[in-house]
Amino acid sequence: EAGVAQSPRYKIIEKRQSVAFWCNPISGHATLYWYQQILGQGPKLLIQFQNNGVVDDSQLPKDRFSAERLKGVDSTLKIQPAKLEDSAVYLCASSLRGRGYNEQFFGPGTRLTVL
Amino acid sequence: TQLLEQSPQFLSIQEGENLTVYCNSSSVFSSLQWYRQEPGEGPVLLVTVVTGGEVKKLKRLTFQFGDARKDSSLHITAAQPGDTGLYLCAGASEETSGSRLTFGEGTQLTVNP
Repeated sequence: EAGVAQSPRYKIIEKRQSVAFWCNPISGHATLYWYQQILGQGPKLLIQFQNNGVVDDSQLPKDRFSAERLKGVDSTLKIQPAKLEDSAVYLCASSLRGRGYNEQFFGPGTRLTVL
Repeated sequence: TQLLEQSPQFLSIQEGENLTVYCNSSSVFSSLQWYRQEPGEGPVLLVTVVTGGEVKKLKRLTFQFGDARKDSSLHITAAQPGDTGLYLCAGASEETSGSRLTFGEGTQLTVNP
């Protein structure tokens, strides 16, 4: 079974530039999550999708971050414009369904460096 | 806001030693999960504990959920270099629309040969 795919794996940009990350969850997984993991910290949930609808985006900085999951499969996370403090690993995860203690399967992440 | 505190933050031990990592909160969680994360990879689930007082064993790893479902511990017996990694606890809270995981800050474990 293929795991969660993310691209790119690494990205270096200058502040005020825009960047987009892509995630392909495990086939059949209805729930998709984007996390931000700053060096030395645990992952922090940015947004949760159930199929193509947003379930939780309370911790998403909506002035600069946006995410979509148009067909309920792939998802993109965009930052526009980027700030220095956005340097982090952005992890995508998926689970079979959103409720209950479902295992979340994580992708390898995209390491973003903002200069 | 639910917070999970892990201790210690860093741990460096010799192969064969035992260790315990703690995960504490003032909030009650419906379940608690432990993950291990290696450099350049995403976290991988080790175990989920659901019932207060529950103990689960995974080879040399023993996980315990506190009676009040606010805290948990991970004990590793006879640690090996392959156990090196970032250990994360994550508490699940059931909300109206789904399940949200709150992660602790992690414990970076290094096992020296």
